[in-house]
Amino acid sequence: EDQVTQSPEALRLQEGESSSLNCSYTVSGLRGLFWYRQDPGKGPEFLFTLYSAGEEKEKERLKATLTKKESFLHITAPKPEDSATYLCAVHPTVTTDSWGKFQFGAGTQVVVTP
Amino acid sequence: DAGVTQSPTHLIKTRGQHVTLRCSPISGHKSVSWYQQVLGQGPQFIFQYYEKEERGRGNFPDRFSARQFPNYSSELNVNALLLGDSALYLCASSLNGNTEAFFGQGTRLTVV
Repeated sequence: EDQVTQSPEALRLQEGESSSLNCSYTVSGLRGLFWYRQDPGKGPEFLFTLYSAGEEKEKERLKATLTKKESFLHITAPKPEDSATYLCAVHPTVTTDSWGKFQFGAGTQVVVTP
Repeated sequence: DAGVTQSPTHLIKTRGQHVTLRCSPISGHKSVSWYQQVLGQGPQFIFQYYEKEERGRGNFPDRFSARQFPNYSSELNVNALLLGDSALYLCASSLNGNTEAFFGQGTRLTVV
């Protein structure tokens, strides 16, 4: 069965203190891995899509990387406005059973203090 | 550009009642997915529709049903509500169901 595990569950950072979030996954075949940011009570906001091992994507202070078993979201010199829950989701290789079925992890709650 | 819109934003229902949630996708997107998110967990996949046909279904009871209309908007229906159905219900739209999905703000359903 497809599984997505995110660690740590929660992370408290000082402003400017860089860190990394981990997303480990088990799927029979990976079509894509997605990172989202979610603020309390709101819908997830799309950040990145990664398709193959070795791929990297960057946006402002965020950088996502992908290997065959896991993905990392690196937060460089975070600011308080980066405080949110970061979710990763995997989309298995498309079959009749997996069409559109994104499997989400539980998320990492990040708090950045001034 | 209008993003994904969901209505209503909040809803309180009594056990045993029925509820209908609505979603309008991003213009040009033909696929809509529904997710349930309980506090502290990631979204759980309920349904996906593409070109008005159901293409995927998660592990939810038959009390949950959905449909997609010719204009690609969608409804999620839940019958015989249980306390455990209280959650944030999220709608996501994508071009074809297998590319990145963009979420609405969600409908917060509380069952009392």
